[in-house]
Amino acid sequence: NAGVTQTPKFRILKIGQSMTLQCAQDMNHNYMYWYRQDPGMGLKLIYYSVGAGITDKGEVPNGYNVSRSTTEDFPLRLELAAPSQTSVYFCASSPTGEYGYTFGSGTRLTVV
Amino acid sequence: DAKTTQPNSMESNEEEPVHLPCNHSTISGTDYIHWYRQLPSQGPEYVIHGLTSNVNNRMASLAIAEDRKSSTLILHRATLRDAAVYYCILRRSTGNQFYFGTGTSLTVIP
Repeated sequence: NAGVTQTPKFRILKIGQSMTLQCAQDMNHNYMYWYRQDPGMGLKLIYYSVGAGITDKGEVPNGYNVSRSTTEDFPLRLELAAPSQTSVYFCASSPTGEYGYTFGSGTRLTVV
Repeated sequence: DAKTTQPNSMESNEEEPVHLPCNHSTISGTDYIHWYRQLPSQGPEYVIHGLTSNVNNRMASLAIAEDRKSSTLILHRATLRDAAVYYCILRRSTGNQFYFGTGTSLTVIP
């Protein structure tokens, strides 16, 4: 049972470069989320999706894009990396309603 | 979205019970109370959740005040592996997302 799988685990980007953070879940969850966590801080919601083809902004969406073409995958795209995007990124999924989240192990991104 | 208030940090001795408090005075009738914990360098981990009644599972117990304006996560016997940041979060049953605060950092003293 893989749960939520995030790749890569670590990445260093130069300012202005682009990359896609991958997230996949095998639990047939409808809801998927992207959070970022800066050092010593709580998690902030970037984007979320309630099903394939449906996405919406969270608290801190600027500088990011998402797509949800399948139930399983929810990639996060950084188009023009900036030092302010240095953070740990967590993907999560959940069934609908009152159920809890399952989180991935995170991607540690450094922009230099 | 309703917000929660937690102490920044707490300490507990190993093998003693720990009571982690959370205030959520603006909770609405459809908000579920969720608890997660985050061990160092790991993603958050689901602990427990409830709506009105107290809840127990293999990890912890959740005690919910009768007016639902506060709750307490109870770890019955703290171990060194329980040292983590504990987040208390509200989630509306019709809502689509959680908003995390800064949580309570629990230190377990051997």
